[in-house]
Amino acid sequence: EDQVTQSPEALRLQEGESSSLNCSYTVSGLRGLFWYRQDPGKGPEFLFTLYSAGEEKEKERLKATLTKKESFLHITAPKPEDSATYLCAVQAGSYGQNFVFGPGTRLSVLP
Amino acid sequence: NAGVTQTPKFRVLKTGQSMTLLCAQDMNHEYMYWYRQDPGMGLRLIHYSVGEGTTAKGEVPDGYNVSRLKKQNFLLGLESAAPSQTSVYFCASLLGGAGTEAFFGQGTRLTVV
Repeated sequence: EDQVTQSPEALRLQEGESSSLNCSYTVSGLRGLFWYRQDPGKGPEFLFTLYSAGEEKEKERLKATLTKKESFLHITAPKPEDSATYLCAVQAGSYGQNFVFGPGTRLSVLP
Repeated sequence: NAGVTQTPKFRVLKTGQSMTLLCAQDMNHEYMYWYRQDPGMGLRLIHYSVGEGTTAKGEVPDGYNVSRLKKQNFLLGLESAAPSQTSVYFCASLLGGAGTEAFFGQGTRLTVV
């Protein structure tokens, strides 16, 4: 069974204080690992796709990395507008039809 | 381009009532999904479809039915609503195949009293 866990459950940072979020997964036949951002009252918004171990993607203050068992979302010098819930998902299955999400990390960045 | 649109955005039902949630996408995506999101539980898959006329059960299918009569629409039905079905429901679609990201609707907040 495909499973995704995320840690920590919640994280509070001061503005400018860098940190990392973790996503650990167990899946047979990974087709892709995805990071999403979700703001309160809205649907998840796509950030990154990672396909293979060693891959890295960057966007502004965010950088996602992937190993064989986990992924990290590094946040460098965060700003209050980075406050959101960050969701990790894995895609698996013969046709990539299985899309399984982790519970998310709720990030608060204080000014 | 509207993307993924869910109807309605909010709904209050009485226990035992039925309703249908509509998801429409205009991106010609093959795969469509219905998730529910509860505090501390993340997104849990209810049902999904990999093409017009096909549906499959997800992690938490009990109490729900779905239909995909047209490629662009995916309907989620509650035949006899229960308070345990109070949740926020999200629809998602993706092009299909490996490595294609899912696009989400804005959600439907359902309360069953």
